[in-house]
Amino acid sequence: ILNVEQSPQSLHVQEGDSTNFTCSFPSSNFYALHWYRWETAKSPEALFVMTLNGDEKKKGRISATLNTKEGYSYLYIKGSQPEDSATYLCAFPFSGGYNKLIFGAGTRLAVHP
Amino acid sequence: NAGVTQTPKFQVLKTGQSMTLQCAQDMNHEYMSWYRQDPGMGLRLIHYSVGAGITDQGEVPNGYNVSRSTTEDFPLRLLSAAPSQTSVYFCASSRPPGQGPGELFFGEGSRLTVL
Repeated sequence: ILNVEQSPQSLHVQEGDSTNFTCSFPSSNFYALHWYRWETAKSPEALFVMTLNGDEKKKGRISATLNTKEGYSYLYIKGSQPEDSATYLCAFPFSGGYNKLIFGAGTRLAVHP
Repeated sequence: NAGVTQTPKFQVLKTGQSMTLQCAQDMNHEYMSWYRQDPGMGLRLIHYSVGAGITDQGEVPNGYNVSRSTTEDFPLRLLSAAPSQTSVYFCASSRPPGQGPGELFFGEGSRLTVL
């Protein structure tokens, strides 16, 4: 079973700060890299599915980059707001299974007013 | 649009009891899967299905059974509950390759406690 590592485990920032987290995944047999946002007491929701090396995706103040050759992706949040507080998960398909995802343990973000 | 619906949301079982977690989706997604989430760990894949009549094992399949008789439904059966199966269970669905980016759509989760 492959491993997906996320860092840091948790992060506390002040409102207005910009922040970023890392997802590391196996660089061989790359298919796609998923990012999900998971708010407390809710279910995870997809942010991005990234498939191309060098890809950069953006949704509002959140953006992500992908480096498939070295096996990492960064998620950036610009000007964090309290509503950005959530756990951010990345996931990687394993064994060639399109939706057989291995998830990282997540980065828990707390944004303080 | 209901999306992915899981029932029950909460359940308490005694060791050795059996039960079924129900999952239904109304998005006509071919792919469905079950994950469990435990503290400090990422979501772990239990079983998945690529279409009606086709299922396969994920990372942690032991103690669980699934079937897929229709596109809409993907129930997860606990055959003989054990305390180690205390967890939050999520059902998810997605479109197959070529029909979208492949993101998972999750249900609201089912919290199971085994005493």
